[in-house]
Amino acid sequence: KQEVTQIPAALSVPEGENLVLNCSFTDSAIYNLQWFRQDPGKGLTSLLLIQSSQREQTSGRLNASLDKSSGRSTLYIAASQPGDSATYLCAVRGDIPTFGRGTSLIVHP
Amino acid sequence: GAVVSQHPSRVICKSGTSVKIECRSLDFQATTMFWYRQFPKQSLMLMATSNEGSKATYEQGVEKDKFLINHASLTLSTLTVTSAHPEDSSFYICSARHKLRTLTDTQYFGPGTRLTVL
Repeated sequence: KQEVTQIPAALSVPEGENLVLNCSFTDSAIYNLQWFRQDPGKGLTSLLLIQSSQREQTSGRLNASLDKSSGRSTLYIAASQPGDSATYLCAVRGDIPTFGRGTSLIVHP
Repeated sequence: GAVVSQHPSRVICKSGTSVKIECRSLDFQATTMFWYRQFPKQSLMLMATSNEGSKATYEQGVEKDKFLINHASLTLSTLTVTSAHPEDSSFYICSARHKLRTLTDTQYFGPGTRLTVL
């Protein structure tokens, strides 16, 4: 059974820092991996989708990498801003999607 | 494009009543919809996979008779929480997979429904 772990569970940083969020998974037989953002009480907003054949995807200040063989993905956030404060979830797509518990990020001014 | 809506966004009900949550794909057809629930500070947990025109596939530990799922059309799936109790209070989110796209494409998520059972 696929297990997805996200580290760290929580992160509090000053504005402007570059951040790395980690996601690891136990079964490398995946179709893709997706990073989401969730604001308190809200639904999910898709940030980046990496297909299993890809190594990374970029969108603005966000960059996600995928190393399928080692079962890892990282989400890099450049020049963090208070508006980036949210919970970040990674979801691994095999036959069914499996989510990590998320990293709760607080960026303070 | 690829918008998924959920209704209602928030519902409060008395213990013992049934609550229906709708998930609609507004501008695409979805052969498969997924239902998740999320407890505070917990991960999203898949409850069931709903395929249009067939019975839903429930994850282990999810009661079929309590969480009734109907996927009657390519744009609508409903989750009915029957005889709701306070422990059913949670955040319920649906997602939809585009009919014309393969597994490698993204899922589209609804905004979620917060259920509070008094």
